[in-house]
Amino acid sequence: DTAVSQTPKYLVTQMGNDKSIKCEQNLGHDTMYWYKQDSKKFLKIMFSYNNKELIINETVPNRFSPKSPDKAHLNLHINSLELGDSAVYFCASSQRGGRSYNEQFFGPGTRLTVL
Amino acid sequence: AQSVAQPEDQVNVAEGNPLTVKCTYSVSGNPYLFWYVQYPNRGLQFLLKYITGDNLVKGSYGFEAEFNKSQTSFHLKKPSALVSDSALYFCAVSPKHSGNTPLVFGKGTRLSVIA
Repeated sequence: DTAVSQTPKYLVTQMGNDKSIKCEQNLGHDTMYWYKQDSKKFLKIMFSYNNKELIINETVPNRFSPKSPDKAHLNLHINSLELGDSAVYFCASSQRGGRSYNEQFFGPGTRLTVL
Repeated sequence: AQSVAQPEDQVNVAEGNPLTVKCTYSVSGNPYLFWYVQYPNRGLQFLLKYITGDNLVKGSYGFEAEFNKSQTSFHLKKPSALVSDSALYFCAVSPKHSGNTPLVFGKGTRLSVIA
């Protein structure tokens, strides 16, 4: 009964490759996010989707392309991977309005290592 | 621009003693404030939030936080620390007037509870 799940948990790949990370939430939330946590543990928003539509893109290189096939899924595709892309990527979801305003539920993270 | 400051990289406390993890914020208007905890190799878990009302907010695992508007602070507290509380703690802020906006996180404070 995992609320927000991500696959894979670990991803090791070579520079220049293309890879995808998948995220699914079963909470019925209407908004999903991708955050990046760097080696110093800084957490920064990358993208935000509401009802399958992109609402925020925080100066992320266009090598990163999120795809939301439906409200429950937000996948992250990365082209031409670079060493600096190595980080932990977290997916999160939340529901607009109501008592749980903007309380975000996070997935377990995907640790991406680019060699 | 909104921001969150966690002035301490590391907080050490003996088991059974009270603990405080500090957070100050800077936003225009009234903030929504959150605390999350990250255990090693895990995603972020929601602890508590301040939206409106009582300045003292109680959350999970015996944690509480006090919203202080004049000092723009939202310090996390627990009366008696446990070794199992050792983790990375993040304070976050969201602008009140926007719905489902991504959280802006502080850089995190590592709490170490010593037996």
